[in-house]
Amino acid sequence: GAVVSQHPSRVICKSGTSVKIECRSLDFQATTMFWYRQFPKQSLMLMATSNEGSKATYEQGVEKDKFLINHASLTLSTLTVTSAHPEDSSFYICSASVTASTDTQYFGPGTRLTVL
Amino acid sequence: AQSVSQHNHHVILSEAASLELGCNYSYGGTVNLFWYVQYPGQHLQLLLKYFSGDPLVKGIKGFEAEFIKSKFSFNLRKPSVQWSDTAEYFCAVNAIGSSNTGKLIFGQGTTLQVKP
Repeated sequence: GAVVSQHPSRVICKSGTSVKIECRSLDFQATTMFWYRQFPKQSLMLMATSNEGSKATYEQGVEKDKFLINHASLTLSTLTVTSAHPEDSSFYICSASVTASTDTQYFGPGTRLTVL
Repeated sequence: AQSVSQHNHHVILSEAASLELGCNYSYGGTVNLFWYVQYPGQHLQLLLKYFSGDPLVKGIKGFEAEFIKSKFSFNLRKPSVQWSDTAEYFCAVNAIGSSNTGKLIFGQGTTLQVKP
C-alpha cells in the first residue's frame, strides 16, 4: 500500500518551454502532497507543500510563478516548470501523506528533467 | 532553523559487519523521526519511523533505530549488513510545533557501500 507514482520519469525539453510533472497517489487519498528537488549527491530540498483545493505554500527562495503547483484532487498534484532554463535541470520528487502533513510521507520515483 | 546532521557521508563495510549511522537534529520540541532508504535507481522508501512510545523502533529488513531525546539523536543500526543494503540512507525530522511543522527536514544522506 501507499504507492505514489510520477509521470514522466524522464523529460528533455528546450529552454523556454514548459514542462508538467504529475504526481499520483495510487491506493490512498493524500491530504497533503509535497514537491522536492534533489541535486546530484545531495539531499532533498522541499520546494512546496500543497493541500487539495488550496494554494500551495512555497519555501523561501522558490519562485511560485516559475514552479506552478496544482492539487486538484486528493490523488493528483501537478508541478509545471514554466519557461524552463538549463539551471532548472534536476531531479524532482513528490511525496504524499495520508492524513496530516506531519504523517509519514510516501515518495514517488522522481522525474529527471533536462533542459537543453 | 531546525537542521538534521548525518555524520557519516560515505560508509564502506564488508558483508556481515555491523552498521550504525548517526543522525542528530536541532530542535528542542516534539519530533517525528524517519529513516528513508534510496536503493540505486529507485525511489525513497520508508525504513522506519518514530512518533512516540518505545524509543527503540524496528523497521524493515532488520534495521532498527533508537531515539535518545537527551542527545537529539536517532541513529540507525543493523547487526549484520548484506550486499543488498548498498544504498543511500536519509534521516528526516518533522519538528512539531515549529515554523516547519509538517515539513520533512532531511539530513545530507549517507552512502552505504557493502562489499561482498
